Amino acid sequence: DGGITQSPKYLFRKEGQNVTLSCEQNLNHDAMYWYRQDPGQGLRLIYYSQIVNDFQKGDIAEGYSVSREKKESFPLTVTSAQKNPTAFYLCASSIGTRVYGNTIYFGEGSWLTVV
Amino acid sequence: DAKTTQPPSMDCAEGRAANLPCNHSTISGNEYVYWYRQIHSQGPQYIIHGLKNNETNEMASLIITEDRKSSTLILPHATLRDTAVYYCIARSNTGNQFYFGTGTSLTVIP
Repeated sequence: DGGITQSPKYLFRKEGQNVTLSCEQNLNHDAMYWYRQDPGQGLRLIYYSQIVNDFQKGDIAEGYSVSREKKESFPLTVTSAQKNPTAFYLCASSIGTRVYGNTIYFGEGSWLTVV
Repeated sequence: DAKTTQPPSMDCAEGRAANLPCNHSTISGNEYVYWYRQIHSQGPQYIIHGLKNNETNEMASLIITEDRKSSTLILPHATLRDTAVYYCIARSNTGNQFYFGTGTSLTVIP
């Protein structure tokens, strides 16, 4: 099946630890995104990438890092510098960020809880 | 990208049409209107999008007013599985992201 796969679905992290969330897509999309969602809130953009080996900060990039070494993969690392990391994390992709009328598609999300 | 305004919540009887409004009074000529929905603890699901003309697909219909300042998403025969948060987004091709507000929480009642 074509789509976006996020793993793990649920993750627990101790304070002070870094954790990496995986995102893989087989849609041959150039652009990929990471959003964060807190309970009862909308989605906020963390990072996005328009092409391999390039990525840009979104609205809430502090405490997060990403890489884009392959077109199909866009992992997100939540570092110990992120003060409130407990949230629902969503990965998404689209054909391109500046394609007229293009659509963004989402993975199923990953729940991160700091214990 | 234009700001959109949606009612925070709505109810709809099962089997009836659900009409979800969205106001985007500052929309510009090159901004599409997109609708997504999110069921609790899942990723948002694309529903439909349009620029000027009304659009219909297997999930829903999108009615955009002639002045493009508002739109309505229509689920023709709502089922319990349509209970979700529905997001209306206005986005241009020069934007780098999709802005999701808090949407409308639709509850389909048996």
